[in-house]
Amino acid sequence: DSGVTQTPKHLITATGQRVTLRCSPRSGDLSVYWYQQSLDQGLQFLIQYYNGEERAKGNILERFSAQQFPDLHSELNLSSLELGDSALYFCASSVEGTRPSTDTQYFGPGTRLTVL
Amino acid sequence: DAKTTQPNSMESNEEEPVHLPCNHSTISGTDYIHWYRQLPSQGPEYVIHGLTSNVNNRMASLAIAEDRKSSTLILHRATLRDAAVYYCIKSDSNYQLIWGAGTKLIIKP
Repeated sequence: DSGVTQTPKHLITATGQRVTLRCSPRSGDLSVYWYQQSLDQGLQFLIQYYNGEERAKGNILERFSAQQFPDLHSELNLSSLELGDSALYFCASSVEGTRPSTDTQYFGPGTRLTVL
Repeated sequence: DAKTTQPNSMESNEEEPVHLPCNHSTISGTDYIHWYRQLPSQGPEYVIHGLTSNVNNRMASLAIAEDRKSSTLILHRATLRDAAVYYCIKSDSNYQLIWGAGTKLIIKP
């Protein structure tokens, strides 16, 4: 158990809909990262938040947005969903995040999104 | 920012050492090399990371070439629970981790 929690575990929805994925980081961790993993692929970095502020953006679509709240939990919002958005979405947290390449990231169990 | 290069899959026998190679010829002088693994139906899990010299922890050892263009993750005595996809990861210009497709490690009993 990494200490990172994600809800829901599974989500099935239809094209065009909007969903919200939630992540609670490990206690004391200030950074939250969101990743997308399509079938049998590596992880694609989407976005990082550090202590409530956006720190870095990766290949995140404009239809996707995220935020980190004062209690440090984070939400990833996916809108106008397409079939190709079906994937595993992972959240990770780290203590710092000012330089992620030296931080250990702790991953949640993921949310499996299926768009029909 | 180029990803690292790893074999798609490797097989090993249980209770034998495993050497997982990784090429990262475009790595910059201050970029760390990270290894994570992903067990079936789970989120990735940190294994080890290093910069220049060899590193050891309770899970594995990391041997980094002198020119830093390649590295090898060593599992000293593989068990069935080590069957996973192992990712060798470097960072991009924004210090974010760049994930490739990884190596699927198959452990034979």
